[in-house]
Amino acid sequence: QKEVEQDPGPLSVPEGAIVSLNCTYSNSAFQYFMWYRQYSRKGPELLMYTYSSGNKEDGRFTAQVDKSSKYISLFIRDSQPSDSATYLCAMSERNTGFQKLVFGTGTRLLVSP
Amino acid sequence: DVKVTQSSRYLVKRTGEKVFLECVQDMDHENMFWYRQDPGLGLRLIYFSYDVKMKEKGDIPEGYSVSREKKERFSLILESASTNQTSMYLCASRYLAGGYNEQFFGPGTRLTVL
Repeated sequence: QKEVEQDPGPLSVPEGAIVSLNCTYSNSAFQYFMWYRQYSRKGPELLMYTYSSGNKEDGRFTAQVDKSSKYISLFIRDSQPSDSATYLCAMSERNTGFQKLVFGTGTRLLVSP
Repeated sequence: DVKVTQSSRYLVKRTGEKVFLECVQDMDHENMFWYRQDPGLGLRLIYFSYDVKMKEKGDIPEGYSVSREKKERFSLILESASTNQTSMYLCASRYLAGGYNEQFFGPGTRLTVL
């Protein structure tokens, strides 16, 4: 079993839809959770960063962490064609010293005009 | 803005060749990383470096080595390239005291080994 599971998609939605992207994990020691966005032929870039449980909102994006269920989500409101990309979740146990990031395999999102 | 650059976007090599992938970051970051990204497998850590001349094996170091002679530069070396090393290679750097575990990625090098 992989430490982090993520549906590879693709997930196809029309412009304006609400998108829900999810990851599950098995390591209860994870405390720091990230979402990276990767456009085609580019490296991943950090989109959202959360610590422990709860929600964090940034514009059209909301990151949600449910540590009791070992489940994290990224919601995109009013999705745009420019949101079409692969979304990778990543997580770690600590944020000090060296701490390996464990990545999901990524979900490919396609937003059609 | 942090900038991580990689020497080549696309590279085609033959089996048995020695391959050098170069990565440079311009923000004085202590930590640097090399990953490979494959469909269905996600990002897998090959090697990382805490600081200059320091290196540690990641999850899949076999067939690879690294060099970090200067803080800004981290090189990945394929001693004798094989077809199963065809992949997207991503370099990343991280600021140690930043309070986040954010890694900044380069654009990637797509390597094909024939």
